[in-house]
This record gives sequence, structure tokens and C-alpha cells, in this order.
Amino acid sequence: KQEVTQIPAALSVPEGENLVLNCSFTDSAIYNLQWFRQDPGKGLTSLLLIQSSQREQTSGRLNASLDKSSGRSTLYIAASQPGDSATYLCAVDNNNDMRFGAGTRLTVKP
Amino acid sequence: NAGVTQTPKFQVLKTGQSMTLQCAQDMNHEYMSWYRQDPGMGLRLIHYSVGAGITDQGEVPNGYNVSRSTTEDFPLRLLSAAPSQTSVYFCASSLLAGIDNEQFFGPGTRLTVL
Repeated sequence: KQEVTQIPAALSVPEGENLVLNCSFTDSAIYNLQWFRQDPGKGLTSLLLIQSSQREQTSGRLNASLDKSSGRSTLYIAASQPGDSATYLCAVDNNNDMRFGAGTRLTVKP
Repeated sequence: NAGVTQTPKFQVLKTGQSMTLQCAQDMNHEYMSWYRQDPGMGLRLIHYSVGAGITDQGEVPNGYNVSRSTTEDFPLRLLSAAPSQTSVYFCASSLLAGIDNEQFFGPGTRLTVL
């Protein structure tokens, strides 16, 4: 059974810092890995999707990497801003069976 | 496009009542799914569908039924609500299942079962 873990559970940083969020999974037979952002009381917004054959994806200040063999992914946020404050979730797709981590709650202080 | 829409936004039920959570998408997506989100547990997959007429169980299907008679709609039915089903429910869709399965989420339905 696929298990997805996100560390840390919460993170607080000053504005302008670069930061890394971690996601690990136990079954490497995945189709893809997706990073989402969730604001309080809202739905999830897709940030980046990495297919199983890819190593990384970039969008603006965000960069996500995937090491399938070790069961790890990282989300790198450059030059963090208060507007980046949210919960970040990773999810892996094992043949339509999506499994989510519990998320990392990020606070960026002005 | 309206994207993924869910109704209602909030619902309170008594134990044993039944109800249907509605989900619709106007993006001609083949794949649709339902999740529940509980505090500290992330999202858990309830049921999913890879196309009209095809549904399958996810991680936590007990107590829930689904059907997919059209590409656009994917309702979730609670036949006899229980307090353990108190949660926030999200519907999601993607163009296709598989390696490029980028999912788009609805705003959620907050359900309380007394």
C-alpha cells in the first residue's frame, strides 16, 4: 500500500528566503507526482505535475524534482513571499489510485 | 469555463439520512474522482471514474455510491449517513487518466453528520 509522507508538517520563514518542502513515498511504481497548494477553506490548486519519466518541472519561482528510485520529491520555492502562505500537498498516482500526503503548512512572515 | 463545480457548499445531516453531493465539470474531462479531507490526514480517494459508465473504488469507498451516466456529472451518494462521514468532500477531474493526469479540484462541500 502506498504511503506518502510530507516533512515538515509546518514551516515558518521570513520573507525572501528560499525553502524546500519534502515528500516521500513508499511504492516507486507511480505514473506521476503532483504538487498542490491549498488556501484555508478552499479547494486545491495544481502547481506542478512530474511524470514518472521526468526528473523535474519548473513554473516561475517553483521547482519540483522527482527521484523515483529513492521515493522522494522536493518542492523548491525561491524568494518566498507572504502570498505563498498556504498548505502544500503532494500526491502520487499509482494507476488512478491517488494518494496524498498530509501537507506542509507554510507561513511566510513579512 | 466554470471548471469543476460542487453543490451544496455546506450540509448538515442527521444520522441515517441520505443525500447526494453533486459534481459537474465543463472541460470534457474523462477522469473524475471524489475525495474526503479530514484534519491532519490529507485527502483520501473514495471513488473514481475513467469515463462515462465506468466507476471504481478508491481507498475509502464504504458508505458511498457513485455513478457516471454522462461525461460532465459524477454524483456521490451517501445512503445512510454516519457521524464518521463528517468531513470536507472534494471532487476533481482531469482530461485523461494516466501519466499526464493533472487534476483540477472543485471548491468542496463541508458535510456535518449529527
